[in-house]
Amino acid sequence: DIQMTQSPSSVSASVGDRVTITCRASQTISRWLAWYQQKPGKAPKLLIYAASSLQSGVPSRFSGSGSGTDFTLTISSLQPEDFATYYCQQANSFPSIFGGGTKVEIK
Amino acid sequence: EVQLVESGGGLVQPGESLRLSCAASGFTFRIDAMTWVRQAPGKGLEWVSGISGSGNSTYYADSVKGRFTISRDNSKNTLYLQMNSLRAEDTAVYYCAKIYYYRAGSFFDHWGQGTLVTVSS
Repeated sequence: DIQMTQSPSSVSASVGDRVTITCRASQTISRWLAWYQQKPGKAPKLLIYAASSLQSGVPSRFSGSGSGTDFTLTISSLQPEDFATYYCQQANSFPSIFGGGTKVEIK
Repeated sequence: EVQLVESGGGLVQPGESLRLSCAASGFTFRIDAMTWVRQAPGKGLEWVSGISGSGNSTYYADSVKGRFTISRDNSKNTLYLQMNSLRAEDTAVYYCAKIYYYRAGSFFDHWGQGTLVTVSS
């Protein structure tokens, strides 16, 4: 099975900061990667699909890049509502593996 | 508006069974593949199972293969997860999600609110 490794596991940042989260796949998955945001007690929410496509309704400060095995989620200017945990997901085939998550905390 | 509402969670003893349901509305259920994802307390997301729109193709994580069965009733717009031989490590919030196919990728674009399954003696 494909393994997904996210880093860092947590990051402390301030409102207005640029935040970057990385995800590495154990084998190539082309562009078939998604990013999700999850707030405490809530269901995950799809932010980015196909590595760089913004899901409808998601603010443009979120962006994704990468292909093959290395991917990045960037929040260009962190807003108060962005403090949450972010997960990558390999969407190339089943089993669909998630990364371990990155918690974005208030500095 | 897409809505997914899970039900059926609860407290069971190890070795017992439970069936989860996910009632869907706001989209053409019979066309879309569906999936179950779980999250143990304080842990990350774990994909559990998936099923095609027709129900003819099913997929399972190794951790549940042989114990869990995914199914759907397209006449009732409902997805199911039959969970047998439950173990303590199956304790989690279980989410159903709709699958969005974009080219060769399968993305989970709408999620239910989740239902808690606790396996404990």
